[in-house]
Amino acid sequence: EIVLTQSPATLSLSPGERATLSCRASQSVSSYLAWYQQKPGQAPRLLIYDASNRATGIPARFSGSGSGTDFTLTISSLEPEDFAVYYCQQRSNQFTFGPGTKVDIK
Amino acid sequence: QLQLQESGSGLVKPSQTLSLTCAVSGGSISSGGYSWSWIRQPPGKGLEWIGYIYHSGSTYYNPSLKSRVTISVDRSKNQFSLKLSSVTAADTAVYYCARASGTGTYFDYWGQGTLVTVSS
Repeated sequence: EIVLTQSPATLSLSPGERATLSCRASQSVSSYLAWYQQKPGQAPRLLIYDASNRATGIPARFSGSGSGTDFTLTISSLEPEDFAVYYCQQRSNQFTFGPGTKVDIK
Repeated sequence: QLQLQESGSGLVKPSQTLSLTCAVSGGSISSGGYSWSWIRQPPGKGLEWIGYIYHSGSTYYNPSLKSRVTISVDRSKNQFSLKLSSVTAADTAVYYCARASGTGTYFDYWGQGTLVTVSS
C-alpha cells in the first residue's frame, strides 16, 4: 500500500496570502495524484487531477505540480471560501488518501 | 449533470450488516469506462476508500476491509450498493459514493454522504 503524507497538518494564513501544501508518497505514483477540497458537512470536491490539471470550474488560483513522490498544491491568493481541509489521493492498485491539511484563518 | 445520492439505514447495531445504496441520475451506470466506489470518513477524521465496482460487475476492495465488504450493481435501477458485515463502533462514519474518472485515477463526482452510526 502506498502511504501519502501531507504537510503541514495545519496552515494558518490570511486572505490574499499564498498557500503551499505538500503531499509525499511512500513510493512513486507517477503523475497519478489528485487534490480535493472539503468544507464542513460537505463532500470532497475535486480540484486537481493527474498532478497538475485543474478540474472543471476550478479557479486558476489553484495549481498543482510534482511527479513521482513529491507533489504541491498552491493557492496563489487565498479567498475567504478557500479556508477548508485539503486532501491528496493516489491510485496504484488501490486508492489511498493523505491525512489532510487544514487551511485556517490566521 | 451526473448526480449521486446515498440512502440506507443511519443506525446499525454492532455485529449486524450495514447496507447502503447509491442512486445515480443524469447518466447511466452502465456506461463503459467508469468505476463506482464507496468511501467513508469517520467523524473528524480522514477519508478511506472501501471498494469499487465496474459496470461489468467486477469488483476490487480495500484489503483491510475485503473480508467484510460486498459491492453490487443493479443496472435496471441505475444504482450500486454496499454491504459491510460484522460492524463495530469503528465503522461509524459518513459514507460517500463516488465515480472514478475514465482513467480510474481520481473521483470526479461524489454523493453528499450519509452518516451511519453503529450503536446498540
